[in-house]
Amino acid sequence: KAGVTQTPRYLIKTRGQQVTLSCSPISGHRSVSWYQQTPGQGLQFLFEYFSETQRNKGNFPGRFSGRQFSNSRSEMNVSTLELGDSALYLCASSPDPANNEQFFGPGTRLTVL
Amino acid sequence: AQSVTQLDSQVPVFEEAPVELRCNYSSSVSVYLFWYVQYPNQGLQLLLKYLSGSTLVKGINGFEAEFNKSQTSFHLRKPSVHISDTAEYFCAVSPGYTGTASKLTFGTGTRLQVTL
Repeated sequence: KAGVTQTPRYLIKTRGQQVTLSCSPISGHRSVSWYQQTPGQGLQFLFEYFSETQRNKGNFPGRFSGRQFSNSRSEMNVSTLELGDSALYLCASSPDPANNEQFFGPGTRLTVL
Repeated sequence: AQSVTQLDSQVPVFEEAPVELRCNYSSSVSVYLFWYVQYPNQGLQLLLKYLSGSTLVKGINGFEAEFNKSQTSFHLRKPSVHISDTAEYFCAVSPGYTGTASKLTFGTGTRLQVTL
């Protein structure tokens, strides 16, 4: 069974631009979560989606948004990029929210110049 | 609210030596505990988890951890490390009830550096 895939793996943007990251969960997994990883703040929860609905949201500004499609694939969008948005963005999937284990993808490395 | 403290940011150790990576947590409710490993340029891989039952948990790659409720700790151990164990290790906690998979709070990580 293929693991969680994220595209693109690397991305360079400039301040003020917007970016969309994609995540394909493990086949059969319907819950997708997103995390931001930075050297200063560590790993922080962004949001969780299940059945195309956002179930939980972390403490991030409204510039960060996401969505989930009927095939469970998810995208996250960051608008008006700031230098501090440079990070590794990790996606994780689980069969459903009742499951207590998440499987992580390799991440998308976003660099904002 | 929960928090996780990984006291050591870096742990250097020689190959074949034992290692312990420390993790302490704080929570007002019961918890589930996890250890993840991150190799360079990769995502997180689950090493082991404690949900309930035996406080000694065995994971992949020869790692084990012991849940100590009175000391609010979940230290990770391996009796003999290998060069390939060099990686970043993250302790994480979530509320101890179903449906909290996404409510993970991570520690700041411990860099395990194994040398010959």
